Amino acid sequence: NAGVMQNPRHLVRRRGQEARLRCSPMKGHSHVYWYRQLPEEGLKFMVYLQKENIIDESGMPKERFSAEFPKEGPSILRIQQVVRGDSAAYFCASSPQTAEGGTKNIQYFGAGTRLSVL
Amino acid sequence: DAKTTQPPSMDCAEGRAANLPCNHSTISGNEYVYWYRQIHSQGPQYIIHGLKNNETNEMASLIITEDRKSSTLILPHATLRDTAVYYCIVRGWSFGNEKLTFGTGTRLTIIP
Repeated sequence: NAGVMQNPRHLVRRRGQEARLRCSPMKGHSHVYWYRQLPEEGLKFMVYLQKENIIDESGMPKERFSAEFPKEGPSILRIQQVVRGDSAAYFCASSPQTAEGGTKNIQYFGAGTRLSVL
Repeated sequence: DAKTTQPPSMDCAEGRAANLPCNHSTISGNEYVYWYRQIHSQGPQYIIHGLKNNETNEMASLIITEDRKSSTLILPHATLRDTAVYYCIVRGWSFGNEKLTFGTGTRLTIIP
């Protein structure tokens, strides 16, 4: 049973380019979460998505960042016109559902994508 | 979600039990306590969670005080591979509020 798969593991972009990070949730999971970890800092929530819907984007920067989770295929975190401050580790997590709390909504994390902006 | 307080760092000898405390004095009745750890720069790993009863699984035990204002994660026989940052997270559940709020955690170092 494969875990949460993220690719690429490492991504290098020059300032002004676009970065696309992909996340395939665990089998049977329909909820995806994105977190960002800046160097030497803790993880910060960015966005929570279900299939074709953004449920909570309270942690997303207002500009240049977008996320989607289409009916088919992986979730995509897209960063347009990257700047050096976007250099970070981006982690995706998935959960089976969120009803009732507790066991049903444990989030399982992928290995992350390390974005470096030159 | 309730705020948590953890010591910034702890050491534990290999083979001994590691006891990691967490204070969550403002926890409310429907909020769970979750523990995750992050080894080096890997993705966070779920360890255990509980509501009000003590819990045990193959990785650890979770002891929650009767008033639920604090808890302790116990790694019964620490190994070098348990060196990591451990996060205690308190989270309730309501639709649209499923995010995990990570604090600074406890950096646990297992000493040979």
